[in-house]
Amino acid sequence: QKEVEQNSGPLSVPEGAIASLNCTYSDRGSQSFFWYRQYSGKSPELIMSIYSNGDKEDGRFTAQLNKASQYVSLLIRDSQPSDSATYLCAVNIVIIHDKVIFGPGTSLSVIP
Amino acid sequence: KAGVTQTPRYLIKTRGQQVTLSCSPISGHRSVSWYQQTPGQGLQFLFEYFSETQRNKGNFPGRFSGRQFSNSRSEMNVSTLELGDSALYLCASSFPGQQETQYFGPGTRLLVL
Repeated sequence: QKEVEQNSGPLSVPEGAIASLNCTYSDRGSQSFFWYRQYSGKSPELIMSIYSNGDKEDGRFTAQLNKASQYVSLLIRDSQPSDSATYLCAVNIVIIHDKVIFGPGTSLSVIP
Repeated sequence: KAGVTQTPRYLIKTRGQQVTLSCSPISGHRSVSWYQQTPGQGLQFLFEYFSETQRNKGNFPGRFSGRQFSNSRSEMNVSTLELGDSALYLCASSFPGQQETQYFGPGTRLLVL
């Protein structure tokens, strides 16, 4: 099992819809979880971090964490064409000296 | 506060040559991580430096090496370049205690011919 897994997509949603991005991880001891957005040809930029079970909201973005299920998700409400990008999930792997491991990313396309 | 900077931004080399890339972290950040990103492999961890010491290392051959200076600036070196080393090399810095939140530089795009 890979340390961090994501559906590669592409995920297509119509403008104004909710986009749901999922991520699973293997290390039960992981404490820090991050979502990054990466536009084509650009470097990743941090969208949100989450450390506790439950939901964390920031504008149109909501991160959801369930440590028991080793699952973290990102919801994007009222999706806009400018949200079209690759979304990377990152998790700290405690058993490897807290190294941050990135998932392969999910490509999101918001259709006008 | 200035962000993470990387130099050079673009580089073209030929097989067998070596290359050195530089990364200056955000002021106050002491941890610097390096990643290789290719279309097929995604973001692959190379190594992490903290206070001039390598703290973590990914699964890359010994041709890939790095170091960190006392001012937290970091360099990575790739010797005997291969065609497969063509990639975007990203550097990220983080501040101790911020639970490893990493901030990325713009990257260096390396093309090996």
